[in-house]
This record gives sequence, C-alpha cells and structure tokens, in this order.
Amino acid sequence: DQQVKQNSPSLSVQEGRISILNCDYTNSMFDYFLWYKKYPAEGPTFLISISSIKDKNEDGRFTVFLNKSAKHLSLHIVPSQPGDSAVYFCAARRSGYALNFGKGTSLLVTP
Amino acid sequence: SAVISQKPSRDICQRGTSLTIQCQVDSQVTMMFWYRQQPGQSLTLIATANQGSEATYESGFVIDKFPISRPNLTFSTLTVSNMSPEDSSIYLCSVGRLAGSYEQYFGPGTRLTVT
Repeated sequence: DQQVKQNSPSLSVQEGRISILNCDYTNSMFDYFLWYKKYPAEGPTFLISISSIKDKNEDGRFTVFLNKSAKHLSLHIVPSQPGDSAVYFCAARRSGYALNFGKGTSLLVTP
Repeated sequence: SAVISQKPSRDICQRGTSLTIQCQVDSQVTMMFWYRQQPGQSLTLIATANQGSEATYESGFVIDKFPISRPNLTFSTLTVSNMSPEDSSIYLCSVGRLAGSYEQYFGPGTRLTVT
C-alpha cells in the first residue's frame, strides 16, 4: 500500500524557470514531511522538511508547501538550474523515526 | 550532516549465498536505519539498528533473512541471507542525529545483483 505517491515519474523544465514537484499522501497520521534529492550512484540527500503544523517552509531556492486538507505537498525550485537535475523523493514520518517514501520524480533542467 | 560510507559499493552474488554490507559513520549517532530500494520502487525501511540490542524490523522483514548488528554508535552491518534474484536492490543505511529531529542522512548505497 503506497501511502506516499509521486504521480509524475518525470518532469522537464527550462533553466531559470520554476520546477514544481508534487506529492500526495493518504495517511492523515503523517505529521512531518521531507524532500530528498538523489543523483545517480549516490544516496539521497536531505533537502528540506516541513512539520504538519505549518503550511510553508522556505530555504533559499527551495520552498515546500503543505495542504493538509488535500493531503498534498509540493516542492518549488526557483530558479531552476541544470545542477538541480536529479530524482526527488518525497517522504513522510509514519511513527517514531520511520519514514515512508514515494517512488520519486526525475527532474531534468535544460539549458 | 554526518559522513557515511558503505562497503561494498556494489556486488554480484549467486543465489543461495549471503552478503554482509557495512555502514560506517564518522561520528557517533543515536539512530541508524537500513533501507532497500528495489528497481523502480521507493525506498523501504527494513529495520532500525539498535546499539547493544536486537534490531527492530518492519513488517515484511525478518531477522533470519536480514540479520543486523550494531556493536557501537558509529558502525552497523546488514546481512542479506540465502539470496534470490528478488533481493537484487540498492541497500542503504541512514542515520538520524538529533533527538526530536526526523531528518535522516543516507550513505551512498550498495547495489546488489543476485544471479
């Protein structure tokens, strides 16, 4: 049962534009959400997180938005850069320190 | 964040054999975890490696298949036992540093192919 869903397997964006990566979840007990970036042959790298008591968290070019009523979060990257090309994973805290991950969205930023 | 290394980085193994994956962290950490990423799938938590006691396994994973050791606060091993082609995956260890912080930091992964 996939409780964290990233329905877009891939996304292509032009350099300088905004990238929007989406994530939906089904478990209303999730209370903390994280985004990770993964390059080939490397482990995932933590990017940004948000608690369920907030609806927005910003860190430089990266902003995460949380819509609890819709069970939806999104990661905005502005402006997008070619180095942002990677697979992005959405994750949610299930209980304790256990995380549920989505399948990832592959972002390609073209010059 | 901690510097995490894994050995081996990749391996090709025959079915029925076992492989032990090592995870080394450059500083003491409270929590260590082991994940699996099967081809085209998301990361799935196998177990939490507890220092000085038995690991805590997630539903669907058992100690006989994935024995885990954690002798101290900087090192853990995961063994994939009696392997079959279905065990072909990337295995990753991760660490959490701060109590009350849910961010986890991942090692580079071990790519396992079982033939």
